[in-house]
Amino acid sequence: KNEVEQSPQNLTAQEGEFITINCSYSVGISALHWLQQHPGGGIVSLFMLSSGKKKHGRLIATINIQEKHSSLHITTSHPRDSAVYICAVPASYNTDKLIFGTGTRLQVFP
Amino acid sequence: DTAVSQTPKYLVTQMGNDKSIKCEQNLGHDTMYWYKQDSKKFLKIMFSYNNKELIINETVPNRFSPKSPDKAHLNLHINSLELGDSAVYFCASSQDFYNQPQHFGDGTRLSIL
Repeated sequence: KNEVEQSPQNLTAQEGEFITINCSYSVGISALHWLQQHPGGGIVSLFMLSSGKKKHGRLIATINIQEKHSSLHITTSHPRDSAVYICAVPASYNTDKLIFGTGTRLQVFP
Repeated sequence: DTAVSQTPKYLVTQMGNDKSIKCEQNLGHDTMYWYKQDSKKFLKIMFSYNNKELIINETVPNRFSPKSPDKAHLNLHINSLELGDSAVYFCASSQDFYNQPQHFGDGTRLSIL
């Protein structure tokens, strides 16, 4: 069964800073998900990736399948990026049952 | 138009009661899920249905019974509510069962008195 670890658990930044959140997992996977949970509680899927890099606006997600590691970057952080960022991977290679990391709480101050 | 909608948003009830949470998606997706988020904000899968068929059934007490009348709806019925059932329950959907992004509802916060 896959185990997912995220770091850091908490992160504070000044507006404009470059942010990196890391996710490591233990078992080979087909794809990895990055989710964002707003302070109000809603969850949004940011990325699903199985190799290389994906970019959406100021957000970039990368994955290294061999090293079982993914990173989520925010290139120019903004207070509205304040949220919990959650990494999720399938429990094993041939299932879509997701195992979630414990999340990284990001606070960006003006 | 809300893609995945859950009702109610808040549910406060007493121990021992039976309650239901409804979920509907208008995305034309084949797969729907129920997740539980505990007080430490940890998300865990409960159930998954693909085209009205149960695909994932985690170790959940049988007081929890999902029902999928059609592939656009996945309701969660909970019998004999216990204090430990207090949590936020999220519904989600995806195009298909395997390797697809998931779209989440806003969650239902269940509080047991």
